[in-house]
Amino acid sequence: SQKIEQNSEALNIQEGKTATLTCNYTNYSPAYLQWYRQDPGRGPVFLLLIRENEKEKRKERLKVTFDTTLKQSLFHITASQPADSATYLCALDIIAPRGSYIPTFGRGTSLIVHP
Amino acid sequence: DADVTQTPRNRITKTGKRIMLECSQTKGHDRMYWYRQDPGLGLRLIYYSFDVKDINKGEISDGYSVSRQAQAKFSLSLESAIPNQTALYFCATSDRDRYEQYFGPGTRLTVT
Repeated sequence: SQKIEQNSEALNIQEGKTATLTCNYTNYSPAYLQWYRQDPGRGPVFLLLIRENEKEKRKERLKVTFDTTLKQSLFHITASQPADSATYLCALDIIAPRGSYIPTFGRGTSLIVHP
Repeated sequence: DADVTQTPRNRITKTGKRIMLECSQTKGHDRMYWYRQDPGLGLRLIYYSFDVKDINKGEISDGYSVSRQAQAKFSLSLESAIPNQTALYFCATSDRDRYEQYFGPGTRLTVT
């Protein structure tokens, strides 16, 4: 069966450290993979998209890697801050009718950055 | 003003009632989506629409229907609400040439 796995346990880290979140998947062949941030009671906010032929993407303090052999994406936040505390969702873009893509979301991992 | 708005933001209704959740967007995007989010289950796609004349079922469409009244408006209906439809509902949009989605603030629906 198809699965997207994100660690259900919260990740606790100290301010200033690098947070690394993992997204593993099985029985999917995504063309794209996205990461979103979600704060409690609010809608997810898009952060980064990486294509299947890209190994790494960066945006400010964020870095995403995508290994289609391992079927895994890693999401890094460097120099983490308490304001980075949130739930982070990965989403795999799967081909849909009419040749486009729709995302399928993982359940998310909560990140807590301690001052 | 927010790019994607949802009304109502909170709703409590009784079992068997018909309810409509509305979504409007000013982003000019062709594509619109409805998701529900339950604790521990993540976001699940209910319906999506790639343009005004296109409606597609998602992973969990049973018990729901949608209407795409215009490019900017996409509504979700529960014909006869049941308690297990209690959830947080999100509308989202995306541009046809890009895949990132833009979410509304959500509607918290409680069915008693």
